[in-house]
Amino acid sequence: RKEVEQDPGPFNVPEGATVAFNCTYSNSASQSFFWYRQDCRKEPKLLMSVYSSGNEDGRFTAQLNRASQYISLLIRDSKLSDSATYLCVVNGGANAGKSTFGDGTTLTVKP
Amino acid sequence: NAGVTQTPKFQVLKTGQSMTLQCAQDMNHNSMYWYRQDPGMGLRLIYYSASEGTTDKGEVPNGYNVSRLNKREFSLRLESAAPSQTSVYFCASSGRLLDTQYFGPGTRLTVL
Repeated sequence: RKEVEQDPGPFNVPEGATVAFNCTYSNSASQSFFWYRQDCRKEPKLLMSVYSSGNEDGRFTAQLNRASQYISLLIRDSKLSDSATYLCVVNGGANAGKSTFGDGTTLTVKP
Repeated sequence: NAGVTQTPKFQVLKTGQSMTLQCAQDMNHNSMYWYRQDPGMGLRLIYYSASEGTTDKGEVPNGYNVSRLNKREFSLRLESAAPSQTSVYFCASSGRLLDTQYFGPGTRLTVL
């Protein structure tokens, strides 16, 4: 079983739709969590950090559920420009410096 | 303010050749990382450096060596390249371990 698992998709949604991604992790000692966005053949860029209390940035909402060991990302009112691959990242645990990336979920927003 | 820079952007090697990938950051970050990304997959950590003077193995260190030359620079060396090392290599830095990481544009390496 992978340490960090994401549904690879692809998710194909119309503009204006709401879409949600989940990411599960296996190491209960993990300490920090992030969502990154990666456009085709480009470097990953931070989308948002994920906290137990949940956090929101415009149309994006991230949640962490430590008891069930998953993080989620909700995108409301999808735009064409949201088309990308979304990577969840889980840091820490047994190897303090270890960053583990999920394989990514691909989103395509269509007109 | 360039952030994280990597050289070269593209490289083609023959099996058995060696090369060094260079990475530099100008954000005064303590921690730096090297990842590889294979098609359709997420990033896998090769090595990381928590702070100047320290380096540690990540998930896939075999076939690679690293040097944290100073606080700004972190290089990745392939001593004897193999076709299995064909990949995109990303360098990243963060203020400290577990913080947000900022990535360079990547090096696309092909080993024939």
